Amino acid sequence: AQTVTQSQPEMSVQEAETVTLSCTYDTSESNYYLFWYKQPPSRQMILVIRQEAYKQQNATENRFSVNFQKAAKSFSLKISDSQLGDTAMYFCALNDGTSYGKLTFGQGTILTVHP
Amino acid sequence: TAGITQAPTSQILAAGRSMTLRCTQDMRHNAMYWYRQDLGLGLRLIHYSNTAGTTGKGEVPDGYSVSRANTDDFPLTLASAVPSQTSVYFCASSEVGGTYNEQFFGPGTRLTVL
Repeated sequence: AQTVTQSQPEMSVQEAETVTLSCTYDTSESNYYLFWYKQPPSRQMILVIRQEAYKQQNATENRFSVNFQKAAKSFSLKISDSQLGDTAMYFCALNDGTSYGKLTFGQGTILTVHP
Repeated sequence: TAGITQAPTSQILAAGRSMTLRCTQDMRHNAMYWYRQDLGLGLRLIHYSNTAGTTGKGEVPDGYSVSRANTDDFPLTLASAVPSQTSVYFCASSEVGGTYNEQFFGPGTRLTVL
């Protein structure tokens, strides 16, 4: 069975600062996909960034980047130049590539950006 | 394009009553999923369907049933609701075999069982 752990229930950051959200996972598969989803107060689930395990290069999407450490099974999300609109719950999720796309989610981290 | 729609948006239900949460997608995705979201637990998979006519159990299937009569619709039924089924329910879909197996989510249904 695959597991995903987010050990930071809540985080806060000042506007324009940088924050890193942690995620560790466990899977026996060698090829898998990792995702970070954002859930603002509207409740909508929004895909922020994704990483394929066979790619060594860390994914980047504008102000969002990941630090993917495959051997350590770690997948952290870095948000640069934090904005008030980044305030949300963030979920790390794992698709092991063998389960017809089923996702295993972490517990979530509530991020608050302060002005 | 609507993507995924869910109905109702929210519902209060008496314990012991039955209810069906509706989910419809217009992206012609072959796979659909139902998750429940609970604080501190993240999202957990209830049931899934890889293609029309087939369904499978997820991590927390007890007390729930699903059907997949066609590609677009994937209703979730609670036969006899209990307070522990109070949660936010998300339907999602994906094109299995696609580049990233990205899942697209509906807006969710907040269900309160009293």
